[in-house]
Amino acid sequence: AQSVSQHNHHVILSEAASLELGCNYSYGGTVNLFWYVQYPGQHLQLLLKYFSGDPLVKGIKGFEAEFIKSKFSFNLRKPSVQWSDTAEYFCAALSGGSYIPTFGRGTSLIVHP
Amino acid sequence: GAGVSQSPSNKVTEKGKDVELRCDPISGHTALYWYRQRLGQGLEFLIYFQGNSAPDKSGLPSDRFSAERTGESVSTLTIQRTQQEDSAVYLCASSSLAGVKDTQYFGPGTRLTVL
Repeated sequence: AQSVSQHNHHVILSEAASLELGCNYSYGGTVNLFWYVQYPGQHLQLLLKYFSGDPLVKGIKGFEAEFIKSKFSFNLRKPSVQWSDTAEYFCAALSGGSYIPTFGRGTSLIVHP
Repeated sequence: GAGVSQSPSNKVTEKGKDVELRCDPISGHTALYWYRQRLGQGLEFLIYFQGNSAPDKSGLPSDRFSAERTGESVSTLTIQRTQQEDSAVYLCASSSLAGVKDTQYFGPGTRLTVL
């Protein structure tokens, strides 16, 4: 069965610091990958997704993620975080042919102004 | 509608009581998912509906859990004889006919507390 690991459970940064949140998945075949974000008091929403093509995916609000197949990774990055990026971030993977995504347990990001 | 809605937003119940949670997906979305999120945990898949096909119930944790969906609209998740371990946020998500590869749109969730 597919599993998704987010190794950083809590991250605290100051504004303008760079961000990288780790995500590793276990499935070795075709995989679709997602990052979702949940801002305080809001719904979970899609940040970015990878299906095929360019392994560097650009998302909303300056976020990007890189799919590295050899490392089974899909890390989320942002060069300079803002206080408004404080949120919970979830990585998810969908194995080829499946319709049930597997979510990681989430990373809580706090950005101090 | 504008987005996925869920009701109630909060539900406090006593152990042993039955509860019913409701999800209104985005109009036209044929796929509907229910997830459970326990404190500090990721999203746990419960059940998946796709159009008129038989639902995938493989994630339901016990026979106390059941869900229905009326056509391609409202869905209800029922938990019978609630237990304290059922306390969690229950999330509903819907996606379009593209299904698997399409973005899931989440509702605000129902926070269930079983005393």
